[in-house]
Amino acid sequence: AQSVTQLGSHVSVSEGALVLLRCNYSSSVPPYLFWYVQYPNQGLQLLLKYTSAATLVKGINGFEAEFKKSETSFHLTKPSAHMSDAAEYFCAVSPLQGAQKLVFGQGTRLTINP
Amino acid sequence: GAGVSQSPSNKVTEKGKDVELRCDPISGHTALYWYRQSLGQGLEFLIYFQGNSAPDKSGLPSDRFSAERTGGSVSTLTIQRTQQEDSAVYLCASSLGLAFEQFFGPGTRLTVL
Repeated sequence: AQSVTQLGSHVSVSEGALVLLRCNYSSSVPPYLFWYVQYPNQGLQLLLKYTSAATLVKGINGFEAEFKKSETSFHLTKPSAHMSDAAEYFCAVSPLQGAQKLVFGQGTRLTINP
Repeated sequence: GAGVSQSPSNKVTEKGKDVELRCDPISGHTALYWYRQSLGQGLEFLIYFQGNSAPDKSGLPSDRFSAERTGGSVSTLTIQRTQQEDSAVYLCASSLGLAFEQFFGPGTRLTVL
């Protein structure tokens, strides 16, 4: 069984500040890990994914995430927040082998203060 | 190119009515997924189709929910005898195969009165 926990349903940072969104996962098999972003009234857009290659994954819009097996974490970071980063962010896990049915965390709403 | 499209974008129905939600995947994508996004339950997997294989229905919440995929392309999610707890955004995604990135549509917002 797999599960994802996102710490903090709502995160607020100032424009230009570091963005850190936390994700911890539980998986009995080697996982794929994903971060998706959802802008208001839109579908999900993939930011980045971990597929057992490099542990530091770079994604779109300046985001990156680091897979830490010892901590079962896959936190999302961006060095400098931009107003356009305001959205909801979802961490998801799926098994490395077999059907990639995504199991999502509850989401973190990111607010950027001017 | 065109992404995943879903219709209608919004659907309001009365309790007890049946509804059909449609998903047009990206051309050439063999895998198609349905998810539900609701306030209480977050994002939940419902069902997926892969090529001609039998669909994985393990996420369907009750037998009132069913889905089909015709000709390996368009999919329809049907909810019979809708209940208020079915109110949610229903998201469809498609991918080139089971090991590839899933591309999501904009969703159908279903409101059951």
